[in-house]
Amino acid sequence: EPEVTQTPSHQVTQMGQEVILRCVPISNHLYFYWYRQILGQKVEFLVSFYNNEISEKSEIFDDQFSVERPDGSNFTLKIRSTKLEDSAMYFCASKVEGTEQYFGPGTRLTVT
Amino acid sequence: GQNIDQPTEMTATEGAIVQINCTYQTSGFNGLFWYQQHAGEAPTFLSYNVLDGLEEKGRFSSFLSRSKGYSYLLLKELQMKDSASYLCAVRVYNQGGKLIFGQGTELSVKP
Repeated sequence: EPEVTQTPSHQVTQMGQEVILRCVPISNHLYFYWYRQILGQKVEFLVSFYNNEISEKSEIFDDQFSVERPDGSNFTLKIRSTKLEDSAMYFCASKVEGTEQYFGPGTRLTVT
Repeated sequence: GQNIDQPTEMTATEGAIVQINCTYQTSGFNGLFWYQQHAGEAPTFLSYNVLDGLEEKGRFSSFLSRSKGYSYLLLKELQMKDSASYLCAVRVYNQGGKLIFGQGTELSVKP
């Protein structure tokens, strides 16, 4: 069964450093998403991406965040200058029109 | 604003039936989803309702009343592996298909 994959599974970085989280959505999917979940808290929407552009973003997704689909398979989330409060599990999700979102296994980001 | 409420935790016995409730206040409602999340893992899709009524899928059923802003997830013949967090999420129109999640209900199934 096809699945969303994410790398790395765990990333440790120092405050102020840039990180890139990578996702490979399911191959025929057209809608892509990033969510985050701070430990013990709810899953929060960050951004949705369709047809090579952002279709919706949350207040969390400020100028420090960016997304890119550099080729036909990868979907990346970049945080330019990480803060302590960016420590969370980051989930990528994808879907086709009219279906549920399929989530990847997540990247645990720890900012020290 | 948008608000989704679920009980924080519930306990049930193996083999029993449990109902997890979710209430929501959102504008532009366009579907309600239930996901299961085991600790440290990704949410996995369980069920989806966009019209009023009951959707049944094996041991899992989900109900929606749009007029009441209410949904429930029903789990039958509980198994120990059903111990997990159950997430209620709402999709709204014209917002890129994003899901707005509730806090999740931590279900513990005991022998």
